[in-house]
Amino acid sequence: EVQLVESGGGLVQPGRSLKLSCVASGFTFSNYGMNWIRQAPGKGLEWVAYISSGSSYIYYAETVKGRFTISRDNAKNTLYLQMTSLRSEDTALYYCARAYTPDYWGQGVMVTVSS
Amino acid sequence: IQLTQSPSLLSASVGDRVTLSCKGSQNINNYLAWYQQKLGEAPKLLIYNTNSLQTGIPSRFSGSGSGTDYTLTISSLQPEDVATYFCYQYNNGLTFGSGTKLEIK
Repeated sequence: EVQLVESGGGLVQPGRSLKLSCVASGFTFSNYGMNWIRQAPGKGLEWVAYISSGSSYIYYAETVKGRFTISRDNAKNTLYLQMTSLRSEDTALYYCARAYTPDYWGQGVMVTVSS
Repeated sequence: IQLTQSPSLLSASVGDRVTLSCKGSQNINNYLAWYQQKLGEAPKLLIYNTNSLQTGIPSRFSGSGSGTDYTLTISSLQPEDVATYFCYQYNNGLTFGSGTKLEIK
């Protein structure tokens, strides 16, 4: 069974940093590209970042480019999102999702940016 | 590419045929997927590549379209279909539509 479990969220002050993790199981992690997708409270879905299976291709939404870094460790079956210079508008539930057309999603981890 | 979904809210009766629309600001070349998100849950992939049904999804769901205009159809609305539906394009960048909330009348 495919499972994606996010962690690392919480309450953080504006301008600070936070690192999210997503541990994958039930499939060969190194064969799949991965995404981070977020959803602000009561709002729609926003794609954040994508990394290919071997980390050769990395893409970011304009709203996070230069502040967020997506990475992965295929030996640990883990996806990461390093978030810096956080803003209130980054407050959201962050999902990791498998594949360029996301077919499996985690349950999400909440990030709240507030003073 | 920006995606515009309509309507934003749709009320229909059980058994109705329901059509949701997604329009791109540019040609999407059929790289269009549909997701269903029920309250408090993660999104679920329903349709990919415009009209391919994801494994395990009921056949009452179907997709169609081309160019900039795409449609998700539910042939006979069921109570468990109450959800918000998002389209997603992966032809040029990766973007989601703003969603259509589907309610039972």
